[in-house]
Amino acid sequence: QQQVKQSPQSLIVQKGGISIINCAYENTAFDYFPWYQQFPGKGPALLIAIRPDVSEKKEGRFTISFNKSAKQFSLHIMDSQPGDSATYFCAARGYSSASKIIFGSGTRLSIRP
Amino acid sequence: DGGITQSPKYLFRKEGQNVTLSCEQNLNHDAMYWYRQDPGQGLRLIYYSQIVNDFQKGDIAEGYSVSREKKESFPLTVTSAQKNPTAFYLCASSGRDSSNQPQHFGDGTRLSIL
Repeated sequence: QQQVKQSPQSLIVQKGGISIINCAYENTAFDYFPWYQQFPGKGPALLIAIRPDVSEKKEGRFTISFNKSAKQFSLHIMDSQPGDSATYFCAARGYSSASKIIFGSGTRLSIRP
Repeated sequence: DGGITQSPKYLFRKEGQNVTLSCEQNLNHDAMYWYRQDPGQGLRLIYYSQIVNDFQKGDIAEGYSVSREKKESFPLTVTSAQKNPTAFYLCASSGRDSSNQPQHFGDGTRLSIL
């Protein structure tokens, strides 16, 4: 119940296309859903995050869509660029101050020029 | 520039040896974390500390130890009891208003067995 399931494991998208990464969770106590971007040999960086009181959050070319009833959320990267090639992790955290963040298994995204 | 510094970048461990990974932050963050990253897996929490002189076990603490004597520093020791230590180790920190959510990560230490 603590898991966050992420798919696909890897993804190849043409430059200019839309990259879509999906995550699903079971624990209804989760109330914060961040996405992290990690380049090879570097630590992850917080990219964008959403709370379940909204269905969508957009920052530039990055959009999180959130479906509370289905317990699913996804990251959309519009107009994907070669510089977006990285590993992306979804995550979730409960509202309790004692809750720890749970990471998905990651998606390796490659953008073909 | 504020950030997290992990050292060394690469580390090799011999059988039966303890090794210590360094993590220093100058962000004035209260909370610090250690994660382990294996290929094809998400980040798994080893230990975390929300305040100086206090720390808690994460999901995979066995074979590891930490200390938090200073706010800026959170070293991780991989002991000989950790039988499969080969992994990428990441240190992170977060401010007081970001409870349990790592905000900033270091660039990691890659540990291998000799």
